[in-house]
Amino acid sequence: DIQLTQSPSFLSASVGDRVTITCRASQDISSYLAWYQQKPGKAPKLLIYAASTLQSGVPSRFSGSGSGTEFTLTISSLQPEDFTTYYCQQLNSYPRTFGQGTKLEIK
Amino acid sequence: QVQLQESGPGLVKPSLTLSLTCTVSGGSISSGSYCWSWIRQPAGKGLEWIGRIYTSGSTNYNPSLKSRVTISVDTSKNQFSLKLSSVTAADTAIYYCARSLYYYDSEAGVDYWGQGTLVTVSS
Repeated sequence: DIQLTQSPSFLSASVGDRVTITCRASQDISSYLAWYQQKPGKAPKLLIYAASTLQSGVPSRFSGSGSGTEFTLTISSLQPEDFTTYYCQQLNSYPRTFGQGTKLEIK
Repeated sequence: QVQLQESGPGLVKPSLTLSLTCTVSGGSISSGSYCWSWIRQPAGKGLEWIGRIYTSGSTNYNPSLKSRVTISVDTSKNQFSLKLSSVTAADTAIYYCARSLYYYDSEAGVDYWGQGTLVTVSS
């Protein structure tokens, strides 16, 4: 199985900050990576697919980059509603796997 | 607007079989190039992919669960289903059904999720 390691696992930031979350894959997954946002009690929401393609309806402050084994999710200017948990998922091979999650907290 | 809704028992006894159904509305489960998945999440923990099915019937399962999992599709009812046998307390989780979008003929991510249903394994 391909392991995905997100860093950091916890991140404290303030409204308006620019933050970056990293997802590292245990082997080359090309650009087959998606990012999700999950709020408490809700299903995850797709933010980014194919490593850098913004899902329809997602604010442009979210962006993704990377290929191979290292990927990043960047939020350019944090809004109050962005303080929640983020996951990456690889879709290069089976079984599909997720990162352990990054919880973004208000400083 | 596509919607997915899980249904099934919220409580299952150990050693028995967990059975869930996902009903798709707002579109035909057979239309387009999509695959249909089950994903679970224990309380307070991360996401685990269980498996997926195409409307052709082709399946892929997580090897960690493979011997216990069956995913099937009923296109006439616009539904797909999950069966997980020989359950233990470790199978207690929120179970999500999901649809994956395709990008350049490759699965690219889950764009539609059910609301999730909590299944507790307990006697």
